Amino acid sequence: GESVGLHLPTLSVQEGDNSIINCAYSNSASDYFIWYKQESGKGPQFIIDIRSNMDKRQGQRVTVLLNKTVKHLSLQIAATQPGDSAVYFCAETYGQNFVFGPGTRLSVLP
Amino acid sequence: EAQVTQNPRYLITVTGKKLTVTCSQNMNHEYMSWYRQDPGLGLRQIYYSMNVEVTDKGDVPEGYKVSRKEKRNFPLILESPSPNQTSLYFCASSLSRGLSYEQYFGPGTRLTVT
Repeated sequence: GESVGLHLPTLSVQEGDNSIINCAYSNSASDYFIWYKQESGKGPQFIIDIRSNMDKRQGQRVTVLLNKTVKHLSLQIAATQPGDSAVYFCAETYGQNFVFGPGTRLSVLP
Repeated sequence: EAQVTQNPRYLITVTGKKLTVTCSQNMNHEYMSWYRQDPGLGLRQIYYSMNVEVTDKGDVPEGYKVSRKEKRNFPLILESPSPNQTSLYFCASSLSRGLSYEQYFGPGTRLTVT
C-alpha cells in the first residue's frame, strides 16, 4: 500500500483496550474539528467531528474531546479492534481551509 | 454508489511536461478540495472550491492550477511539474459548510516527477 508517513508517532494497544489519540491544533479561531482514519493504500475516511461550541461528542465506539483552553483534541476508541489499525489525523478548519495534523499510527496488538 | 474518483491513480512524468489529474464526485457536493500528502508533513491543502466557478488557494498552491466549470469535476493542473511536486494527491468533496464538513476522499494519485 501507499506510504502514509514514515516517521509518525505510534500508539500500540492491546485488542479490547481503549485507545486515546491526541492532537494539538494551532489556531484559536478554528471552529470545526474532524478526525479521520487512513488505512494503507486508501484515502482518509471521516470518523467524527465536533464544533467549537461543544467539548465532547460521541459516536459509535468513538468519542472526541475538545479543550479549547489548551487547543487540544483527543479521539477515544473503545474496545479497540484489529480493524482500527490505521493512521489517524485530526483536522481543524478556519474560514474554508482545512489544516491537518501530522497523524498518529495506531497499532492493535493481538 | 457515492464516491470520489481520481485519474490516473499512478503517474510518472518528466519535469516540465504539463499534466492534469481529474477528480469527479457523484454526490452533488458543492465543496471540493485538493490535498497533497508527504511523509512527515501530513495532508496539506492545495486548492479548494466552494462551488462552480469559485476557487481559492489553500496552504500550498504554488505550481498548481484548478478549475471548476462543472459541479462534479475539479481537475488539478500542473503546468510545469517539478520534482518537488512528487507526492500523493487526494481529491475530496463535501456538502457546503453550513451543513457538514464530512469530506469524502478519493483513492489518491501517486505522482512521480523525474
